Amino acid sequence: GEDVEQSLFLSVREGDSSVINCTYTDSSSTYLYWYKQEPGAGLQLLTYIFSNMDMKQDQRLTVLLNKKDKHLSLRIADTQTGDSAIYFCAEKAGRRALTFGSGTRLQVQP
Amino acid sequence: DAGVIQSPRHEVTEMGQEVTLRCKPISGHDYLFWYRQTMMRGLELLIYFNNNVPIDDSGMPEDRFSAKMPNASFSTLKIQPSEPRDSAVYFCASNRGQGLNTEAFFGQGTRLTVV
Repeated sequence: GEDVEQSLFLSVREGDSSVINCTYTDSSSTYLYWYKQEPGAGLQLLTYIFSNMDMKQDQRLTVLLNKKDKHLSLRIADTQTGDSAIYFCAEKAGRRALTFGSGTRLQVQP
Repeated sequence: DAGVIQSPRHEVTEMGQEVTLRCKPISGHDYLFWYRQTMMRGLELLIYFNNNVPIDDSGMPEDRFSAKMPNASFSTLKIQPSEPRDSAVYFCASNRGQGLNTEAFFGQGTRLTVV
């Protein structure tokens, strides 16, 4: 079955870059997503990438996809304290529902 | 639109009691999902509906859990009887269509504590 894995925790200093990594197992995954969950809130879509792309950039966010290794990463440039949250990687293939990773808690220290 | 609305935001109940969680999806969305979030298991899909019909309930943990969607604007997730291990945050999400680039919109969740 499908499986998505992430490291549980990342701590960075304000102003540094953050890189959150994710691996997935389903080679038929067509879209890959990053969601953000702030404390006490639901998940919000940050960005997504189609599997025929290697990279997508959106302001401070850069998504890199290595389809051969089934590895996805999210880079946040100039990380701010407001970026502290849990970041979820998710994948989707066909009409199946999203499969989420366990989430990476990003802590930004001032 | 107010987004996906869940109620209650917090629920504390005693073991053995029935618990009903409620969700109002975004108007016009034809897919509705129930997820459970715990520290141990992360975010798990419990069940999802398309046009009010349950499509995949393979994530529902046991017969104590049931979900209904009587109409396009309302869904419930019921646990009867509840147990301490059911303590978690339960999220409802909805989206329009199930195309590959469809964004799922999440409610703020119901934090359930069973004591």
